[in-house]
Amino acid sequence: EAGVAQSPRYKIIEKRQSVAFWCNPISGHATLYWYQQILGQGPKLLIQFQNNGVVDDSQLPKDRFSAERLKGVDSTLKIQPAKLEDSAVYLCASSLMGNYEQYFGPGTRLTVT
Amino acid sequence: GEDVEQSLFLSVREGDSSVINCTYTDSSSTYLYWYKQEPGAGLQLLTYIFSNMDMKQDQRLTVLLNKKDKHLSLRIADTQTGDSAIYFCAATNDYKLSFGAGTTVTVRA
Repeated sequence: EAGVAQSPRYKIIEKRQSVAFWCNPISGHATLYWYQQILGQGPKLLIQFQNNGVVDDSQLPKDRFSAERLKGVDSTLKIQPAKLEDSAVYLCASSLMGNYEQYFGPGTRLTVT
Repeated sequence: GEDVEQSLFLSVREGDSSVINCTYTDSSSTYLYWYKQEPGAGLQLLTYIFSNMDMKQDQRLTVLLNKKDKHLSLRIADTQTGDSAIYFCAATNDYKLSFGAGTTVTVRA
């Protein structure tokens, strides 16, 4: 079974630029999560989707971050404009609906200069 | 929200047992997890325990849960060099995982 796929793996941008990350969850997983992991910290949930609807986006900085999950499969997370403090690894995870096991992708490491 | 705390570092000799400890604050946490993260990789789900259990064993891994003290531990028997990684404790009661900062385990020969 293929795991969670993410791209790109690395991205370097200047502050005030925009960037987008892509995630393809495990086939059949209705629930998709985006986490932000700042160096030296544990992951923090940004947004949770169930199919193509948002379940929880309470910790998403909505003035600059946006996410969508069209057709309930792939998802895109965008940052516009980026700030230095957005430098982090962005992790995507997925799970079966109603299941507590979340499976993570390899992450996208973002560096904002 | 939930706070999850872990010690930051653990050094262990190859072949010995490792014990990683974690405390959490929300007594309504339903599931408690251990994830492993190797350099440059995502998080790998190692094991998890439901809150009505006090122990779970899976090959070299033993999870102990003290719900009264809100304390979780992970024991790795016969620690190998491949066990060197960052280990994250996480808790949830509504699918939203709250993670600790991670314990860096270094296995020395």
